[in-house]
Amino acid sequence: GQQLNQSPQSMFIQEGEDVSMNCTSSSIFNTWLWYKQEPGEGPVLLIALYKAGELTSNGRLTAQFGITRKDSFLNISASIPSDVGIYFCAGRSGSARQLTFGSGTQLTVLP
Amino acid sequence: NAGVTQTPKFQVLKTGQSMTLQCAQDMNHEYMSWYRQDPGMGLRLIHYSVGAGITDQGEVPNGYNVSRSTTEDFPLRLLSAAPSQTSVYFCASSYSKAGGVTQYFGPGTRLTVL
Repeated sequence: GQQLNQSPQSMFIQEGEDVSMNCTSSSIFNTWLWYKQEPGEGPVLLIALYKAGELTSNGRLTAQFGITRKDSFLNISASIPSDVGIYFCAGRSGSARQLTFGSGTQLTVLP
Repeated sequence: NAGVTQTPKFQVLKTGQSMTLQCAQDMNHEYMSWYRQDPGMGLRLIHYSVGAGITDQGEVPNGYNVSRSTTEDFPLRLLSAAPSQTSVYFCASSYSKAGGVTQYFGPGTRLTVL
């Protein structure tokens, strides 16, 4: 079946630093979604991507749909304490009925 | 729009009891699904529905039933709760866009089975 590798698993950064994380797939995807989950809450959709090469921003967050259609990147600029949480990617190939999820990146922002 | 709503937020059951987790969405999405989230296991699909009257099994369907009588509601039933069903349950709804899919999650139900 499809596999999604998300890295890094965890990050400890200083407030104000930029952050980058990525997901790679064993299959070609037609959708990449990025979510943030805080403790005790449900995943919140941050950015949705549908085309190879697409670059989309949501405030300080920017995500890109890789040209190969097998990867995606999420960047957070000028991190702040409220960016703390688990970020995970999800994707779907044209032949699949379901999303495949990455294992998540735990982000800690140090003051 | 309230988006995806789930009730209850917390629940404690004894082994063998049954219960229904409620899920509703007001976005007129055709596609709805149930996931469970366990430490180290990520999100695993239990059941899903592509429209009213149509349901199908996901990755971990055993011990759970679903039905979809309306577009808005997608309840998840635990027939005879077991400690292995202690988990956080998320309902999601989604729609197709630009050849892809966009999916939104509810706030979750935290279930403990004693």
